[in-house]
Amino acid sequence: EPEVTQTPSHQVTQMGQEVILRCVPISNHLYFYWYRQILGQKVEFLVSFYNNEISEKSEIFDDQFSVERPDGSNFTLKIRSTKLEDSAMYFCASTREGQTNSPLHFGNGTRLTVT
Amino acid sequence: AQSVTQLGSHVSVSEGALVLLRCNYSSSVPPYLFWYVQYPNQGLQLLLKYTSAATLVKGINGFEAEFKKSETSFHLTKPSAHMSDAAEYFCAVSGGGGTSYGKLTFGQGTILTVHP
Repeated sequence: EPEVTQTPSHQVTQMGQEVILRCVPISNHLYFYWYRQILGQKVEFLVSFYNNEISEKSEIFDDQFSVERPDGSNFTLKIRSTKLEDSAMYFCASTREGQTNSPLHFGNGTRLTVT
Repeated sequence: AQSVTQLGSHVSVSEGALVLLRCNYSSSVPPYLFWYVQYPNQGLQLLLKYTSAATLVKGINGFEAEFKKSETSFHLTKPSAHMSDAAEYFCAVSGGGGTSYGKLTFGQGTILTVHP
């Protein structure tokens, strides 16, 4: 069964550094999402992406964050200047259609640790 | 605006016992509701979803959930727990159709422990 893949599984970076988290959604999917989960807290929506542009973003997704689908297969989340509070598990998700018969598939996540 | 509340951050059952994980939601539109399971070091796997068809929804691994509009609940049950059910379970509500379909609001999660 096709799956969403995320790399790396764990990334350690220093505060102030830029980091790029990578995701390869399922190939025929059209809607893409990033979520994060700070340790011990809820999974939170960050951003949705469709037709090569951001559809919605949460208040967490400030101008330090950006997303891109550079080559038609990868979907990346960039954090420009990481802060300690960006330490979290980041999940990518995708779905083929924005309707109920199209399940949302999640990747296994990237654990980001900012030191 | 939408929200999800999962009652009980930890639930412990014996193998073979009934599993009941509680979820209440709040939604300003007719909700799409989901249960996801997360095993250690893995992503979120869809167990089942409610999409305004049958109110009793059957999912994978013997789980089911009943949508009760009057109680704004979507509790997850399994008649007989298995050791392999030990994981964290998340209830979530969707923002609607289109791109909002995948914009989920999650509950805080319930860790299920199954002991022999």
